[in-house]
Amino acid sequence: DAKTTQPNSMESNEEEPVHLPCNHSTISGTDYIHWYRQLPSQGPEYVIHGLTSNVNNRMASLAIAEDRKSSTLILHRATLRDAAVYYCILRGDSGAGSYQLTFGKGTKLSVIP
Amino acid sequence: DAGVIQSPRHEVTEMGQEVTLRCKPISGHNSLFWYRQTMMRGLELLIYFNNNVPIDDSGMPEDRFSAKMPNASFSTLKIQPSEPRDSAVYFCASSLEPPGRAWEQFFGPGTRLTVL
Repeated sequence: DAKTTQPNSMESNEEEPVHLPCNHSTISGTDYIHWYRQLPSQGPEYVIHGLTSNVNNRMASLAIAEDRKSSTLILHRATLRDAAVYYCILRGDSGAGSYQLTFGKGTKLSVIP
Repeated sequence: DAGVIQSPRHEVTEMGQEVTLRCKPISGHNSLFWYRQTMMRGLELLIYFNNNVPIDDSGMPEDRFSAKMPNASFSTLKIQPSEPRDSAVYFCASSLEPPGRAWEQFFGPGTRLTVL
């Protein structure tokens, strides 16, 4: 299985942008890049996903490198509610095991008021 | 939409007792997942159902664990007998996954299980 590498922790000041990196040098051509986050004492929640092009939604933006070996989750304006563990996950488009989310250790984001 | 509902939210039991965790997926979803989260091992997939049929139970730790999905709106995860090492937070998730496609999973709030 393709693996992802994320920093263990990051800090951000409130109302400033946050760039959360993820390396996935062994990504395959059919792997989507998914991001989930887990707020304290809650279940994980979906944030965003993409394949090749950059993606935007109401929660965040996902910037994907041209060679797809890395990606960056961008929170445009961090709030205290964004303090969570962020997981970068590779997931196949189809076939056996494509349903599976394999969670690593993620990046713990702290937001400073 | 109420989201994925899990009960109980907290369970404290003694070693050797039977424990049953319950999950109601989001209406209309056809896939259900049970995960376990511990500090040591992180989040692990235990079992995956599609259209009420268990598709992948390779993550179930041992025979003491069993899961059922008698209908599209209910699933149980049972541990019998329970052991202290089963203490963890158990999450249920559901999604609408047509075969061969990957879609977002919606997680419940979890059940925190403590086995004394």
